[in-house]
Amino acid sequence: RKEVEQDPGPFNVPEGATVAFNCTYSNSASQSFFWYRQDCRKEPKLLMSVYSSGNEDGRFTAQLNRASQYISLLIRDSKLSDSATYLCAVNVGTGNQFYFGTGTSLTVIP
Amino acid sequence: GAGVSQSPRYKVAKRGQDVALRCDPISGHVSLFWYQQALGQGPEFLTYFQNEAQLDKSGLPSDRFFAERPEGSVSTLKIQRTQQEDSAVYLCASSLAGGGNEQFFGPGTRLTVL
Repeated sequence: RKEVEQDPGPFNVPEGATVAFNCTYSNSASQSFFWYRQDCRKEPKLLMSVYSSGNEDGRFTAQLNRASQYISLLIRDSKLSDSATYLCAVNVGTGNQFYFGTGTSLTVIP
Repeated sequence: GAGVSQSPRYKVAKRGQDVALRCDPISGHVSLFWYQQALGQGPEFLTYFQNEAQLDKSGLPSDRFFAERPEGSVSTLKIQRTQQEDSAVYLCASSLAGGGNEQFFGPGTRLTVL
């Protein structure tokens, strides 16, 4: 079983839609969680950290469910510019190794 | 402020050649990471430095891969006797400290081995 798993999609949604991605992780000792956005042929860019209490940044909401060992990313009012691949990243304990998911592809359609 | 920079951005090598990839982290960032990203996959961890110390090299796929950060700033990833399966994007990331802090990525070096 992989350390981190994501549904690769693709997710094709109309502008204005709400879309949610999940990312499951296998190690219950994981402590730090992040969502990254990666555009085609570009580097991953940090979108947001995921805190235990959940956090929101504009149209983006990230949540952590420790009991079921997954994190989620919710995008409201999707824009064309949200089209990208969304990667989750998880580290284990105080370790420095990050595990990334394979990414979920999102295309927002006009 | 400058982000993480990497050079070269693109490298084409013939099978069997040695290559060296450079990473300049964000100034003041203690931790530096190398990742390998194949097409359609997420980044895969290769190795980690805290200052000049290489604390984790468990992800290096073979002894042909070697990384160094002699002065705790710039890092070089060297691949000896390149093979076709080494073709990938090599990403460098830095963070202010280790222990699960946010990592910031450079633009990557796209290596193609013919």
